[in-house]
Amino acid sequence: QKEVEQNSGPLSVPEGAIASLNCTYSDRVSQSFFWYRQYSGKSPELIMSIYSNGDKEDGRFTAQLNKASQYVSLLIRDSQPSDSATYLCAASNDYKLSFGAGTTVTVRA
Amino acid sequence: NAGVMQNPRHLVRRRGQEARLRCSPMKGHSHVYWYRQLPEEGLKFMVYLQKENIIDESGMPKERFSAEFPKEGPSILRIQQVVRGDSAAYFCASSPRTGGDSGNTIYFGEGSWLTVV
Repeated sequence: QKEVEQNSGPLSVPEGAIASLNCTYSDRVSQSFFWYRQYSGKSPELIMSIYSNGDKEDGRFTAQLNKASQYVSLLIRDSQPSDSATYLCAASNDYKLSFGAGTTVTVRA
Repeated sequence: NAGVMQNPRHLVRRRGQEARLRCSPMKGHSHVYWYRQLPEEGLKFMVYLQKENIIDESGMPKERFSAEFPKEGPSILRIQQVVRGDSAAYFCASSPRTGGDSGNTIYFGEGSWLTVV
C-alpha cells in the first residue's frame, strides 16, 4: 500500500468550474499535509498547507483535512487555464514528505 | 531573497560517469533535503542533512549514491557510475528547522535534470 494515494487523473474541467482533488494517507501519525502544484519541467510549488481537521481557505483554494478518515482534499474554485498542472499531495510526520503520484488537471478554456 | 539554488539545471552523463549535483539552501536555512522524481512518478525522499551531518539517508540507494553538506559550501549529491535508471529530476529542498509544524515550510529548488545516455 502506498503511503499517499491520490485520485487518478487526468482531471479535465471547464474554465470557471470547481476542480476537486482527493488524497488519502496510510500513516496515522502524519501531522502535516501539503498540496504542491507542479508545472511540467518545473519544481513543486507549495500552494496549501493544513495541520488540523477542518477547512482552510486561501484565495481560490480550499484544503480540507479529516484525520479520522485519513483524507485530504483540495478544491480549486473558478478554475483558470493557468491552473493546468499536476497537483501533488504530501503528508509529513516530521521532516520527511511522502508524496502521492499526483493528479494532472487540465482547465479547458 | 534568493531561493534554493541548484546547479546544474541539466546534466548529461554517459553510463559509468559520475554526476555531481549541488544545492545551496535558502539564506537562514540549515536543513537540506534531496528528493528524486523518476519519469511519471511522484517525488521520493532520498536524504536529510544538516551542516556536516547526515540525519536520515533511508531513501538513498545503498550503492553509488552519496550526499554531504559541508560546513562551508553547498550540499552535494554524488552519483557514481551512473546507469540509465538514474535519469530523473533531482530536487533539493531546505527549511529553517526540522519538523513539519506550522511555519516550517520546506522550499524546493528548481531541480537538476540528469540524463544518462
